[in-house]
Amino acid sequence: GENVEQHPSTLSVQEGDSAVIKCTYSDSASNYFPWYKQELGKRPQLIIDIRSNVGEKKDQRIAVTLNKTAKHFSLHITETQPEDSAVYFCAANGGNEKLTFGTGTRLTIIP
Amino acid sequence: NAGVTQTPKFQVLKTGQSMTLQCAQDMNHNSMYWYRQDPGMGLRLIYYSASEGTTDKGEVPNGYNVSRLNKREFSLRLESAAPSQTSVYFCASSEGGWGNQPQHFGDGTRLSIL
Repeated sequence: GENVEQHPSTLSVQEGDSAVIKCTYSDSASNYFPWYKQELGKRPQLIIDIRSNVGEKKDQRIAVTLNKTAKHFSLHITETQPEDSAVYFCAANGGNEKLTFGTGTRLTIIP
Repeated sequence: NAGVTQTPKFQVLKTGQSMTLQCAQDMNHNSMYWYRQDPGMGLRLIYYSASEGTTDKGEVPNGYNVSRLNKREFSLRLESAAPSQTSVYFCASSEGGWGNQPQHFGDGTRLSIL
């Protein structure tokens, strides 16, 4: 089955700086890669996703890049703000109905 | 439009008791999922239902059973609760389509087993 590794597990950045979270996956059949944000005590919420026919996708301050050859994808957050503080999860679908999630990155924005 | 609704929000059980977690979605989604979330371990899939009438095991199915009651509802049952099942349980749904559609999560059930 699919295996997803996520790094780093914790990340602290100054407000206004950029944050990058990286994930690697094992199954070359994976073709869907979502990112979820989870605030303390809340549900995971989708913030951006990318499919394997696209190399990069942007939505305002958030972008995701995908390198199929190397089997890794990354989340980039620019001009970070205090409300970006949360746990972020990446996932990959292994080419089937299921998502396999990474273990999460706790992002802290320092004012 | 409530999205994905889970009940109860909190529950405390004694070891050996049974209970059913309920999940309903109003988005006409085909696929539904049950996850558990433990500190430092992300979201792990317990069971899923790719379409009405089908269910399949995920990564951690032992100690659980599920029922896809109809297209809207997908329940998770603990037959004999154990302390290792203390966790936060999330239900999710998606349009389906071979796993390449977004999953929408409920607010979770916080379950403690003493």
